[in-house]
Amino acid sequence: GEDVEQSLFLSVREGDSSVINCTYTDSSSTYLYWYKQEPGAGLQLLTYIFSNMDMKQDQRLTVLLNKKDKHLSLRIADTQTGDSAIYFCAEDSGTYKYIFGTGTRLKVLA
Amino acid sequence: DGGITQSPKYLFRKEGQNVTLSCEQNLNHDAMYWYRQDPGQGLRLIYYSQIVNDFQKGDIAEGYSVSREKKESFPLTVTSAQKNPTAFYLCASSSRTGNTEAFFGQGTRLTVV
Repeated sequence: GEDVEQSLFLSVREGDSSVINCTYTDSSSTYLYWYKQEPGAGLQLLTYIFSNMDMKQDQRLTVLLNKKDKHLSLRIADTQTGDSAIYFCAEDSGTYKYIFGTGTRLKVLA
Repeated sequence: DGGITQSPKYLFRKEGQNVTLSCEQNLNHDAMYWYRQDPGQGLRLIYYSQIVNDFQKGDIAEGYSVSREKKESFPLTVTSAQKNPTAFYLCASSSRTGNTEAFFGQGTRLTVV
């Protein structure tokens, strides 16, 4: 069945790069998304990648997509304390349903 | 400003009572969704609607009901049949054409007391 997996926790030092990984199962997904959730709030879209792309860069964010391995990653350069949050990857299954990962809680140490 | 609004932000319910969570969007989106979030479990889909007057069950619909009488509104009722309703509830909406990213409300935290 459809499933999206992420590791639950990641801890990095301020100024270092963070890499959050995600694996998905639905090879028919058109778009893959990264969302950020701050405590007690909804999800905000950070970036997305179209399924025919390998990489997308947007300021401090770099998304890499390996379709063969169904692996998606989000790299945050120069990580700041304000980046501490839960990060969700999600795939658009094409039937107007989104499959979300369990979320990775990023903690940035000063 | 266009967006999606959930109310209330915090809700307390006594056991055995039904309660309705509000979700309104002015983004002219056809599709709307309700998710439940529990710690360590990510988001689970309760119900979704692709068009007015139509909706489908998601993965955990038991104990919940919805209606979609207007394009802008998709209220969720948590009934007394829901055995463990304490959770964070998120509403979202999306377009059905082009980039179908989901836009989320700020959530409602429901606590059963």
